[in-house]
Amino acid sequence: DSGVTQTPKHLITATGQRVTLRCSPRSGDLSVYWYQQSLDQGLQFLIQYYNGEERAKGNILERFSAQQFPDLHSELNLSSLELGDSALYFCASSTSGGKETQYFGPGTRLLVL
Amino acid sequence: GENVEQHPSTLSVQEGDSAVIKCTYSDSASNYFPWYKQELGKRPQLIIDIRSNVGEKKDQRIAVTLNKTAKHFSLHITETQPEDSAVYFCAAMGNFNKFYFGSGTKLNVKP
Repeated sequence: DSGVTQTPKHLITATGQRVTLRCSPRSGDLSVYWYQQSLDQGLQFLIQYYNGEERAKGNILERFSAQQFPDLHSELNLSSLELGDSALYFCASSTSGGKETQYFGPGTRLLVL
Repeated sequence: GENVEQHPSTLSVQEGDSAVIKCTYSDSASNYFPWYKQELGKRPQLIIDIRSNVGEKKDQRIAVTLNKTAKHFSLHITETQPEDSAVYFCAAMGNFNKFYFGSGTKLNVKP
């Protein structure tokens, strides 16, 4: 157990809908990362937050947004969902958001029908 | 942006043999290179990492080498065991803290 928690574990929804994924980092970690893992594209870095502020942006679609709250938990919002958004979404956390170990959560499996 | 290529996509070795996985990157500004192991149905876990000011790093049966000039880095696993069977991902941290992952190598260690 990495200490990073994600909810929900599984999510099934329909195209066009909006969902929110939640992540709580390890105690003491200030940085949160979001990743998408699909079968055909491997691990894709989406976005990173550090202490409430966006620090780095990867291949995140405009339909997706995220934020990190004062208590350091983070939410990833996915809207206007498409079939291709079906994937495993991981959150990871690290102490200071630099060149250091990232601890991954168990992931949220999203299925868009 | 950065582009990370990883080879091979699958690797099958006999228990006790060595396994080598190679990655190349395109952005010379990349300066941090972690390797992750992901077992089936589980989360990725960091197994080793290397910074650009170091050429090699070793941790028991696992080692990583970095050639900045050629822009490639490799993971070496010696004396492989069945529990080493997993998917391994390399990654590079480029400008502005962005992470780029390789496509993964499925390692199968046959007992």
